[in-house]
Amino acid sequence: DIQMTQSPSSLSASVGDRVTITCQASQDISKYLNWYQQKPGKAPRLLIYDASNLETGVPSRFSGSGSGTDFTFTITTLQPEDIAAYYCQQSDNLPITFGQGTRLDLK
Amino acid sequence: EEQLVESGGGLVKPGGSLRLSCVASGFTFSNAWMSWVRQAPGKGLEWVGRIKSKANGGTIDYAAPVKGRFTVSRDDSKNTFFLQMNSLQTEDTAVYYCATGRTFDFWGQGTLVTVSS
Repeated sequence: DIQMTQSPSSLSASVGDRVTITCQASQDISKYLNWYQQKPGKAPRLLIYDASNLETGVPSRFSGSGSGTDFTFTITTLQPEDIAAYYCQQSDNLPITFGQGTRLDLK
Repeated sequence: EEQLVESGGGLVKPGGSLRLSCVASGFTFSNAWMSWVRQAPGKGLEWVGRIKSKANGGTIDYAAPVKGRFTVSRDDSKNTFFLQMNSLQTEDTAVYYCATGRTFDFWGQGTLVTVSS
C-alpha cells in the first residue's frame, strides 16, 4: 500500500496568513494526488484534484503543486471559513489511501 | 444539482449485518464510479471500496480490512449504490460516506454505523 505522510498534523494560523501543508507519498504517484477540506460534522469537500487543478467553485486562494512523491497545498490568505481539517489522498494505486489529516485552527 | 443521500446506518451487535444505501440525483449515475469511505469517531478518512461504471467494466475493489466481509453493488435503474456489511466488528464503527467520481468529486452527508454489544 502507498503510505501518505501529511504534515503538520495540526496548525494554528491567523486570518490573512499564508498556510502550507505538505504530503509525501511512499512511492511515485505521478500527479494523482487530491486535497479535501472537512469541517466539523460535515462531509469532506474536494478542493484540488490531480495535484494542481482547482475544483469548480473553490476559491482561488487554494492551490496545490507537486508531482511524483512530494506535494504541497497552500492557502494564500487564510479566511475564518477555512478553519477545518485537510486531507491529501492518492488515487494512483489501489488501495486508495489518505494522509492522516491536518487540523487548522485560528491562532 | 448533484446530491447523494445515504441511509441504513444504526446500532448492530458484533457479528451482525447491515446494508447501507446511497441514492444519487442530479447527474448521470450510470456513468459514475462510486466509492464508500468511512471515518471512525475522531479519526481520519479510510477508503472502503469502489465500483466502476458498467462502461468501465463494473470492476469492484475493496480495502483489505473489509475484503470478504463487505460487498459493494449498484442498481443503475434506481440510481442507488449499496454497501452490504457482514460479520461486523467493533472497529467497523464509523460514519460511512458515499462519494462519486475518480477524484471523489461529491460526497453524501454520511450515515453512522455503531457496532457494539
